[in-house]
Amino acid sequence: GQNIDQPTEMTATEGAIVQINCTYQTSGFNGLFWYQQHAGEAPTFLSYNVLDGLEEKGRFSSFLSRSKGYSYLLLKELQMKDSASYLCAVQDSNYQLIWGAGTKLIIKP
Amino acid sequence: NAGVTQTPKFRVLKTGQSMTLLCAQDMNHEYMYWYRQDPGMGLRLIHYSVGEGTTAKGEVPDGYNVSRLKKQNFLLGLESAAPSQTSVYFCASSSDREVTPQHFGDGTRLSIL
Repeated sequence: GQNIDQPTEMTATEGAIVQINCTYQTSGFNGLFWYQQHAGEAPTFLSYNVLDGLEEKGRFSSFLSRSKGYSYLLLKELQMKDSASYLCAVQDSNYQLIWGAGTKLIIKP
Repeated sequence: NAGVTQTPKFRVLKTGQSMTLLCAQDMNHEYMYWYRQDPGMGLRLIHYSVGEGTTAKGEVPDGYNVSRLKKQNFLLGLESAAPSQTSVYFCASSSDREVTPQHFGDGTRLSIL
């Protein structure tokens, strides 16, 4: 079967750095997406990786290792507004997105 | 700047009732999707469409029907609602199915009593 694993919840301090991991086992791989979802709101796109390596976008970076079936999202200089759920999604061989359950990130002052 | 608009935002139904969830996008996207989101689970694809007049089943299609009569609209129907269909429903759209991200509506919170 297809499976995406992420930690359920993480806590970090304002101004610090946090890394959210995602491991996957899917039928094929055509890319990995990270989305942010604030409580009661729609998911919004953060990053996309299809090749191994690090993609940097401001305070957010995303890393992919296809051989290990592993990705992480790195958030730097954490702000209170970063409190949200972070969703990992893998595009399988049919180009359908398989979604993880999300990691709820709690930022403390 | 509407993007993807879903109506209604909230609805309470009784078991056995029917209803239609509406999704409209103004980005001229070919691809549209209906997901449900339940606590502790990832988003699950119900149905999707690759263009006007087309629909296809996703991971959890049972109990739902869809129609895409116009490119900008994608309708999700529940013919006979069941408590197991209590969920938050998200509509999304994308310009293609490969590298471009999906854009989501704000969701419809549906409770079946």
